[in-house]
Amino acid sequence: KQEVTQIPAALSVPEGENLVLNCSFTDSAIYNLQWFRQDPGKGLTSLLLIQSSQREQTSGRLNASLDKSSGRSTLYIAASQPGDSATYLCAVRGSQGNLIFGKGTKLSVKP
Amino acid sequence: DTGVSQDPRHKITKRGQNVTFRCDPISEHNRLYWYRQTLGQGPEFLTYFQNEAQLEKSRLLSDRFSAERPKGSFSTLEIQRTEQGDSAMYLCASSTGSEQYFGPGTRLTVT
Repeated sequence: KQEVTQIPAALSVPEGENLVLNCSFTDSAIYNLQWFRQDPGKGLTSLLLIQSSQREQTSGRLNASLDKSSGRSTLYIAASQPGDSATYLCAVRGSQGNLIFGKGTKLSVKP
Repeated sequence: DTGVSQDPRHKITKRGQNVTFRCDPISEHNRLYWYRQTLGQGPEFLTYFQNEAQLEKSRLLSDRFSAERPKGSFSTLEIQRTEQGDSAMYLCASSTGSEQYFGPGTRLTVT
């Protein structure tokens, strides 16, 4: 059974810092991995999608990497801003198409 | 706005009542997913449609839950005889294969 773990559960940083969020999964047989952002009480916004054949994806200040063999992904956020404060969720897609999520990392960026 | 929409956004009901939620996917997305998210947890998969066919159901989807997607367009999720444990955010997502796009969710509170 696929399990997804995100560390840390919460993170507080001063504005301008670069930071890394970690995601690990137990079964390397994934189709893709998606990183989402969720603001309090809201739905999920897709940030980056990495296909199983890819090593990384970049969008603006965000960079996500994937190492299938070790069951790990990282989300790197450069020059963090208060507007980046949110919960970040990692999800892997299995053979049935549904996403399996971690519990998320709650990020707080202090001005 | 051509994203995924859900209605209602909030629903408060008394225990034992039936409730129905609606999801309108992105036009031409043939795949539609329902997830449930409780406080502090990542979303958990409930069920999946490809066009009008319901192809996968989670063990979380008890007999009190039913979902439909007539004509492969919008979908409804009905919960009968609601229980306090059904209180959660119900999220809908659609895709054409890889990346899933989420709606804003329906927040259900059972009193």
